[in-house]
Parts: sequence; C-alpha cells; structure tokens
Amino acid sequence: KAGVTQTPRYLIKTRGQQVTLSCSPISGHRSVSWYQQTPGQGLQFLFEYFSETQRNKGNFPGRFSGRQFSNSRSEMNVSTLELGDSALYLCASSYLRGPYEQYFGPGTRLTVT
Amino acid sequence: QKEVEQDPGPLSVPEGAIVSLNCTYSNSAFQYFMWYRQYSRKGPELLMYTYSSGNKEDGRFTAQVDKSSKYISLFIRDSQPSDSATYLCAMTSTGANSKLTFGKGITLSVRP
Repeated sequence: KAGVTQTPRYLIKTRGQQVTLSCSPISGHRSVSWYQQTPGQGLQFLFEYFSETQRNKGNFPGRFSGRQFSNSRSEMNVSTLELGDSALYLCASSYLRGPYEQYFGPGTRLTVT
Repeated sequence: QKEVEQDPGPLSVPEGAIVSLNCTYSNSAFQYFMWYRQYSRKGPELLMYTYSSGNKEDGRFTAQVDKSSKYISLFIRDSQPSDSATYLCAMTSTGANSKLTFGKGITLSVRP
C-alpha cells in the first residue's frame, strides 16, 4: 500500500507571496491532518480535515488555511508569507477521525526569503 | 510550563546498549501516548501506541506509561546503528477536539 505523499518536497518563496501544498493520504484513509515542524517550536498541529470538513484547528493565524477534496486529498494554503513560516510542513493521514494512529508523509520543506 | 517536556539530548550510545527515552507531561487529560521515530529528511514514523497506564512491548521496543507520575518512557534493547534517529513522544486526550501534542524530540546516535 502506498504511503502518504506530499508535493512539492521543497519550495522557496518570497515574503508576501502565497503557497499551496498538496497531500495525498493512504488509500482508504479519510482523515488528513497538517503539522508545522520547526527547530524552535517542534511539531505543532495546524488543522484536521475529515470528510471534506475541517474538524479541528490549532493555534495558527488565519493566513493558514486548508481544504479536503472528495477523494480525501488535501491542500494547505499559506497567504502573505512571513520569514517565520519557513518550516517543514507535514501531512498525516488516518482511517478514523482524530489524532490516533496517524501516518506521516515526508513533508514539504518551505523556505521563505 | 510546556504541556510535554522531553530531554533535549542529543544522546550517543554504543551499539548493543539499552536506551531509555523519557517524557513528562502536565495535562492530566492525556490518555493516548505515542512514540514516533523520525529519520533525517523523512516524516515521523509511528513506533508505539499505548492507551492509559501500563507497558507495551514490540520486539526490541518497550513503551511505559505512568499516569500517576505523568511520565512516559521508551526503552530500546540491543540498540543498533539503524536506530539512530530523532525520537518524539506525542500524546492526546479523547474527544472531538483532541489533537496530538508533541515533545521537542531527542536525537539518538548509536555508535558501531
């Protein structure tokens, strides 16, 4: 069974731009969660989507948004990029809704200059 | 005080050593406890998953949860160079708005 895939793997953007990251979950998984990983703050929860609806949200500004499609694929968007948004963005999928038994993708490394 | 504290490391041990990794937490609502392993340039991989207090063993890995002390541990027996990675503890409560809270991670190096 194929794992979670994320595209692109690496991205360089300029302050003020926006970016869209994509995640394809494991086949049959309906829940997709997004996380931000930085050396200073570690892994932090952004949001979870289940059946195309956002079910839970972490403490991030409204510049961070997402959506999920009917095939469970998910996208995450960050608008008006700031230098502090440079991070590894990880997507995780699970069969059930919630943070249980999540399987992570390899991440997208975003660098904001 | 952070909700989850993990020894920052790094930790270096010789091959064959027993490794003990620990986390403490402050939120008594946490019920599920996980350990993830993350290799360089990869996403975290779920290693162990336990509910409430007790021990769970899987091969060379043993996870322990002591809810009375708010303390969890991961033991690695007969450590191998391939165990060299960053280990993250994570935990969550139950309920509709539950989310994983991670420790900062500790980098383990197993010397041949």
